[in-house]
Amino acid sequence: TQLLEQSPQFLSIQEGENLTVYCNSSSVFSSLQWYRQEPGEGPVLLVTVVTGGEVKKLKRLTFQFGDARKDSSLHITAAQPGDTGLYLCAGPKGANNLFFGTGTRLTVIP
Amino acid sequence: DAGITQSPRHKVTETGTPVTLRCHQTENHRYMYWYRQDPGHGLRLIHYSYGVKDTDKGEVSDGYSVSRSKTEDFLLTLESATSSQTSVYFCAIRGTENSPLHFGNGTRLTVT
Repeated sequence: TQLLEQSPQFLSIQEGENLTVYCNSSSVFSSLQWYRQEPGEGPVLLVTVVTGGEVKKLKRLTFQFGDARKDSSLHITAAQPGDTGLYLCAGPKGANNLFFGTGTRLTVIP
Repeated sequence: DAGITQSPRHKVTETGTPVTLRCHQTENHRYMYWYRQDPGHGLRLIHYSYGVKDTDKGEVSDGYSVSRSKTEDFLLTLESATSSQTSVYFCAIRGTENSPLHFGNGTRLTVT
């Protein structure tokens, strides 16, 4: 059983469209992080959400942490080809581990 | 990039041979991690280090060992490589328990 379930697994959209990807868990997390990974590179942190109900914006990306701190969503407005990549959510597990979801692979077609 | 270098970037080896992957950082960060990334499994922690000579197991540590003899280097060793260890291996670092992880660019290992 995955601690963090991400959906959809794959998403292919046209440039200019909006999209939302989800990260869900049956466990409560003190915080959740979102990373983006491009081919041949390591994941890069986008944002950390720490308060239930929190909304953070990063240009065209909007991140929300669920009220119960069990889920999070990432909404992208007017997607661009540069948004293409693997989006990973991650939450702390124990004192020194970060548990990752399996990711959503996004392709934005020009 | 956060000053992390993984070497080699690509390696092909035969089943049963030993393999060592190196992670070198220039950030003087305390915490270092080795993850593997496989389709359908995401990133899974193999081992981590919380200081020189201080290491602990992650969730998929069987078949792997690590060493950290100085702050900047964290080595991952496969004593006898198996085909199930074919994967992309990522090193990550962070300065404190609560700071974000910074990843290297990975090592693609193929065991034939």
